Amino acid sequence: EIVLTQSPGTLSLSPGERATLSCRASQSVSSSYLAWYQQKPGQAPRLLIYAASSRATGIPDRFSGSGSGTDFTLTISRLEPEDFVVYYCQQYGNSPYTFGQGTNLEIK
Amino acid sequence: QLQLQESGPGLVKPSETLSLTCTVSGGSISSSTSYYWGWIRQPPGKGPEWIGNIYYSGSTYYNPSLKSRVTISVDTSKNQFSLSLRSVTAADTAVYYCAKVSGDIGYWGQGTLVTVSS
Repeated sequence: EIVLTQSPGTLSLSPGERATLSCRASQSVSSSYLAWYQQKPGQAPRLLIYAASSRATGIPDRFSGSGSGTDFTLTISRLEPEDFVVYYCQQYGNSPYTFGQGTNLEIK
Repeated sequence: QLQLQESGPGLVKPSETLSLTCTVSGGSISSSTSYYWGWIRQPPGKGPEWIGNIYYSGSTYYNPSLKSRVTISVDTSKNQFSLSLRSVTAADTAVYYCAKVSGDIGYWGQGTLVTVSS
């Protein structure tokens, strides 16, 4: 099973700043099959990025994904107030699919 | 617009079986030949955990960590698929989501909290 480790666990920033979230895999993720999700309290996760760098339908262009192999990054270029929630990465290149433990983005 | 809705008991006793159903509306399970239908759970305060997927034809794949206790089935006539998790313990307490899966997960149900307690 591929273990995904997200860092940092908590990231404290201000609106308008740039956020960089990391997801590291215990082994190479096949075909860059890595996704990022945003989860607001009491809601299901929402798909932001798939295949490491493709934005899902309706996702603002301030969200971008990059990386390959074992190291992946989600970047939010200019933080809006509604962006301060939890983010998860997920790999679907190898079974079983696995998720990271999450990064909590909080207002500084 | 595709929608998924979980239903089932919110409280299950230890050692019993957790049973949930997902009803799909706004699209047919049978017509989505490029997708799977899956179950994911999320314990309170933790990250999601993938439970398993089923194809409209009935073929399944389960997370090896749960495989001995899980069955996922599909009823295309009702546009539903179901989860059965046997011999539950407190560690199975979680929000359970059903989803449309193409590897990544673009459509999720709202989730239902299932608590395992006597």
